[in-house]
Amino acid sequence: EPEVTQTPSHQVTQMGQEVILRCVPISNHLYFYWYRQILGQKVEFLVSFYNNEISEKSEIFDDQFSVERPDGSNFTLKIRSTKLEDSAMYFCASATGEGGTYEQYFGPGTRLTVT
Amino acid sequence: KQEVTQIPAALSVPEGENLVLNCSFTDSAIYNLQWFRQDPGKGLTSLLLIQSSQREQTSGRLNASLDKSSGRSTLYIAASQPGDSATYLCAVSGYSTLTFGKGTMLLVSP
Repeated sequence: EPEVTQTPSHQVTQMGQEVILRCVPISNHLYFYWYRQILGQKVEFLVSFYNNEISEKSEIFDDQFSVERPDGSNFTLKIRSTKLEDSAMYFCASATGEGGTYEQYFGPGTRLTVT
Repeated sequence: KQEVTQIPAALSVPEGENLVLNCSFTDSAIYNLQWFRQDPGKGLTSLLLIQSSQREQTSGRLNASLDKSSGRSTLYIAASQPGDSATYLCAVSGYSTLTFGKGTMLLVSP
């Protein structure tokens, strides 16, 4: 069964460094998302992406964050200058949009630790 | 702003029991509702999706209902098994975003 994949599974970085989290959505999906979950807290929406542009973003998704679909398969989240509070599990998700259901399928996550 | 609440926060039951997890949301203008399962340190597995026009969905031992007007959904798990132990998350959808509850942590003991 097709799955969303994410790399790396765990990333440790120093405060102020740039990180890129990578995702490969399910191949026939057209809608892509990033969410994050700080330890012990709710899963929070960051951004949605469709037709090569951001369709919606949350207050969390400030100028430090960017997303890109550099080719036909990858979807990336870049954090330009990481802060301690960026430490979280980051989840990528995708959906077909077929039939108007937008059921989202999630990847296993990347645990980002900022020291 | 949409708020999603899940009750109870934790539940411990013996194997074989039928159980109900509750989810409530403040804004009834939702597109759909998804129930997920999350194992410790892992990703989210979609269990069921109910579109806003539907009242319920079933998958195996799982049945989810939706009452949009009252802002409530329930997830019914029949004949629980130890392998059902996980955190169950409810999420409601605006057009392109999911708003999550904090989850119900379920422990099913043999």
